[in-house]
Amino acid sequence: DIQMTQSPSLLSASVGDRVTLSCKASQNIYKYLNWYQQKLGEAPKLLIYYTNSLQTGIPSRFSGSGSGTDYTLTISSLQPEDVATYFCQQYNSWWTFGGGTKLELK
Amino acid sequence: EVQLVESGGGLVQPGRSMKLSCAASGFTFNNYDMAWVCQAPKKGLEWVATISYDGSSTYYRDSVKGRFTISRDNAKSTLYLQMDSLRSEDTATYYCARHRYGGFDYWGQGVMVTVSS
Repeated sequence: DIQMTQSPSLLSASVGDRVTLSCKASQNIYKYLNWYQQKLGEAPKLLIYYTNSLQTGIPSRFSGSGSGTDYTLTISSLQPEDVATYFCQQYNSWWTFGGGTKLELK
Repeated sequence: EVQLVESGGGLVQPGRSMKLSCAASGFTFNNYDMAWVCQAPKKGLEWVATISYDGSSTYYRDSVKGRFTISRDNAKSTLYLQMDSLRSEDTATYYCARHRYGGFDYWGQGVMVTVSS
């Protein structure tokens, strides 16, 4: 099974900050990587698919990048409504998720 | 508007069975593969099972093979998860999700399953 490791597990940032979340796969996943946002008490929401494609309706301050085993989700200017836990998910081999990064306001 | 509404969760004793349902609306159900994804309390997400758009193919994570069965009724736009021989480690919120873009583009609100004596 492909293991997905996210870092950090907890991130504190201020409104307006540029925020970068990391996701590392245990083997090459050839950019088959999605990102989700889950707010407290809600279902996950797809933000980005295939590493860097923005899902419809998602603000352009969210972006993704990466290749091979290393991927990042960037929020260019953090907004209060971005407080959530973010999960990466690979689909090179079945479907596995990272453990999540909880993003909070400083 | 795409909607996925799960039902059927609750408290069940270890070794017993439970069946979850997911009613879909707002899209052509029989055009999409569908899945169940679970999330244990305060834990991450785990893919559980997938069924192809026509029901001809099913896939399961190893820990539920032989115990869980995913199925669908395209005439009713409904997805199911039959869970047998339940274990305490199956305790989680179960989400119905639509497959797209290699992942899951729409999710239901989730239904809680608690396995405990």
